[in-house]
Amino acid sequence: EVQLVESGGGLVQPGGSLRLSCAASGFTFSSYWMTWVRQAPGKGLEWVANIKEDGSEKYYVESVKGRFTISRDNAKNSLYLQMNSLRAEDTAVYYCAGHSAWRFDPWGQGTLVTVSS
Amino acid sequence: QSALTQPASVSGSPGQSITISCTGTSSDVGAYNYVSWYQQHPGKAPKLMIYDVSNRPSGVSNRFSGSKSGNTASLTISGLQAEDEADYYCTSYTSSSTPWVFGGGTKLTVL
Repeated sequence: EVQLVESGGGLVQPGGSLRLSCAASGFTFSSYWMTWVRQAPGKGLEWVANIKEDGSEKYYVESVKGRFTISRDNAKNSLYLQMNSLRAEDTAVYYCAGHSAWRFDPWGQGTLVTVSS
Repeated sequence: QSALTQPASVSGSPGQSITISCTGTSSDVGAYNYVSWYQQHPGKAPKLMIYDVSNRPSGVSNRFSGSKSGNTASLTISGLQAEDEADYYCTSYTSSSTPWVFGGGTKLTVL
């Protein structure tokens, strides 16, 4: 069964850090670009970052550049998102998604990040 | 990078057809055939429904179809069913520094 499972979300104070993980199974992880997409409470989807199959290329939405870092470990079939200098507006459910052939599929169930004092 | 423009809501009765539009620019929807559509039920993860403008993944009902004209892509759902009630999002590859952009989402209500 194809599966993506996110973890690492939680409550963090403004200015704090959090590292999200996404464990992949059931497909050839190393053959997929991987993406993080977030959804603020009651809002729409926002593309956050993606990383090439071998980790050699990374792209970010402007609002997180310099604060978030996407990475992967193909040996562990895992994707990560290191989030620093967190702001209230980063509060969202964060989804990881496989990204191949110009589409996002599969998706994880999401992990909630709440930035609040 | 602005989000793609979708209507906030659409509605239809069971059995009817509806169309959701997704308007972008000549830098995204108009430039590439890399528009995809996602269905999201409350509290659930998005699900891929259409990719590359008009292709359906295996397992998605043929009641779902996609098209594009100029800077506007469209998702059509025919033979509406109660289970189609959900939020729908389009996304497109873009030539901007942020390579992917989503639409604001459309809430479909089946009356």
